Amino acid sequence: GESVGLHLPTLSVQEGDNSIINCAYSNSASDYFIWYKQESGKGPQFIIDIRSNMDKRQGQRVTVLLNKTVKHLSLQIAATQPGDSAVYFCAETLGGATNKLIFGTGTLLAVQP
Amino acid sequence: DAGVIQSPRHEVTEMGQEVTLRCKPISGHDYLFWYRQTMMRGLELLIYFNNNVPIDDSGMPEDRFSAKMPNASFSTLKIQPSEPRDSAVYFCASRTGGGLRTQYFGPGTRLTVL
Repeated sequence: GESVGLHLPTLSVQEGDNSIINCAYSNSASDYFIWYKQESGKGPQFIIDIRSNMDKRQGQRVTVLLNKTVKHLSLQIAATQPGDSAVYFCAETLGGATNKLIFGTGTLLAVQP
Repeated sequence: DAGVIQSPRHEVTEMGQEVTLRCKPISGHDYLFWYRQTMMRGLELLIYFNNNVPIDDSGMPEDRFSAKMPNASFSTLKIQPSEPRDSAVYFCASRTGGGLRTQYFGPGTRLTVL
């Protein structure tokens, strides 16, 4: 029979626009969150992280927002460039002894020139 | 400075053959993780090590899979015998033992089992 793969949400933006990628995480006890970027044929690459005692953190052209009330994470990319085209994953991890990252299914960002 | 190194980058083998994937973590990192990525299941954690000791192998799909870490700079993931459903991209990641839990990924090994 025909195999069915994961259906990745896709965000299509124009070059120069701002992008917002959203993620709903699963565990209210998670205390650390990471955004990864994965380009075709490469491994996930760290972009930015945030601890649960913060609600916003900024990097170079990227901002992560955390809303613990609704268990929502977002990644904002300013002035999106063609090189930003990739799959973006959020990951959460619990505090304490656990060392596992729990990855979301990812969002495909397609930047149109 | 070098990131996580994986070899080979591509592996094509026939069903029933043994496959060995290799990983060199970032120097000084205490944790090493093996993941598998497929379109069907996304990114799955298979096993992870702390200071060369396997801590959690609950993600290893079955006995055909085994992983070792003989020293702090080398780990292997072995599949014996391989099956077509093992076809995937296998990633190795490492991180420090400190408070931050960011994992750094290697480029992956694309495995195709015919």
